[in-house]
Amino acid sequence: TQLLEQSPQFLSIQEGENLTVYCNSSSVFSSLQWYRQEPGEGPVLLVTVVTGGEVKKLKRLTFQFGDARKDSSLHITAAQPGDTGLYLCAGYTNAGKSTFGDGTTLTVKP
Amino acid sequence: DVKVTQSSRYLVKRTGEKVFLECVQDMDHENMFWYRQDPGLGLRLIYFSYDVKMKEKGDIPEGYSVSREKKERFSLILESASTNQTSMYLCASSLHLGRGYGYTFGSGTRLTVV
Repeated sequence: TQLLEQSPQFLSIQEGENLTVYCNSSSVFSSLQWYRQEPGEGPVLLVTVVTGGEVKKLKRLTFQFGDARKDSSLHITAAQPGDTGLYLCAGYTNAGKSTFGDGTTLTVKP
Repeated sequence: DVKVTQSSRYLVKRTGEKVFLECVQDMDHENMFWYRQDPGLGLRLIYFSYDVKMKEKGDIPEGYSVSREKKERFSLILESASTNQTSMYLCASSLHLGRGYGYTFGSGTRLTVV
């Protein structure tokens, strides 16, 4: 079973601060997804990265896939209260299903 | 937009009952999945399906079964509900994971077994 470790597990910051969330594994993934989940709802797909070293930007969110396709990071610039939620990474290894990390719970205080 | 609809947001069932959780997707996706989500344990895969009438066990299939008679519908069945099956259940579909499409999730069913 491939394991995806996310860090930190919990993060509480003030509005306007920057933050980075990490997703690490010993396995190589053919693609990796990031999701955000709000309380009482299902996760919503934010981005997919496929190529080693790939960087994708979604407004204030920057996603990077490691060169070896074993890890990824999510950086948020000038966080806002609306960014609050559970951030999940998921890696796909051509086995027909994805493996999810345990998530990072982000709280952005006004 | 792809939509995945789970039939119930909240369910309360008694121990020993047979429970059906229904999931429907409207975008002709081949792949469908059932996960449960518990605090501290993350998302754990119960069953998934590549096509109609096909099913594969996930990481925690014990106590569950599934049915996929039509492409758009994937049902999760708890044969005899137990209190340790109290959880948030999430259904998802995907066009083609191998090409990085990712999942579209439903809003979840919070099941309480008493």
